[in-house]
Amino acid sequence: AQKITQTQPGMFVQEKEAVTLDCTYDTSDPSYGLFWYKQPSSGEMIFLIYQGSYDQQNATEGRYSLNFQKARKSANLVISASQLGDSAMYFCAMREGPRDMRFGAGTRLTVKP
Amino acid sequence: DVKVTQSSRYLVKRTGEKVFLECVQDMDHENMFWYRQDPGLGLRLIYFSYDVKMKEKGDIPEGYSVSREKKERFSLILESASTNQTSMYLCASWTSLLDEQFFGPGTRLTVL
Repeated sequence: AQKITQTQPGMFVQEKEAVTLDCTYDTSDPSYGLFWYKQPSSGEMIFLIYQGSYDQQNATEGRYSLNFQKARKSANLVISASQLGDSAMYFCAMREGPRDMRFGAGTRLTVKP
Repeated sequence: DVKVTQSSRYLVKRTGEKVFLECVQDMDHENMFWYRQDPGLGLRLIYFSYDVKMKEKGDIPEGYSVSREKKERFSLILESASTNQTSMYLCASWTSLLDEQFFGPGTRLTVL
């Protein structure tokens, strides 16, 4: 069964606007971690943000924030003030056990000037 | 600066060849992973290793094997390459002391 679902294969956003990338997950484990990675066209995976299942507050890292809604099992990434360099693939991932990490199919974000 | 390196960025092989993909990390991480990435499917775990000489199958181990003789090195082996193994292969390492999993630059393998 699919554990991480990203329903938006592609998204467009105007430069300087905010954008939300959706991610839902499925787990019965009370302890888990949620991640977002960015993959530019060069191919490397860049870690953006992490949210632990017991964290009370939503994670933020600069222009990135994670909108964590535990009851709905969603972990959406919000990018504020989009820049042209934000154009990339974005992957949501979840770690359940110490070594068990699963990724979604990804969302391709294009920032328009 | 932490680093995961992979032996090749691009590789072209023939069907039936034995293929070795090498991954080295310099962070003394105990856990290492091999993923393949295909459009629309995201990253899928092939194998991971939690210690030297230890390995566990991931979601798609068929057609692959791995070797971890030293802590810093994790090799992915395609015993007899097939065209459906054409893909991007990503190596990663992780320690339980940190949240983040660190990735190598990837190897784009084409099997003709």
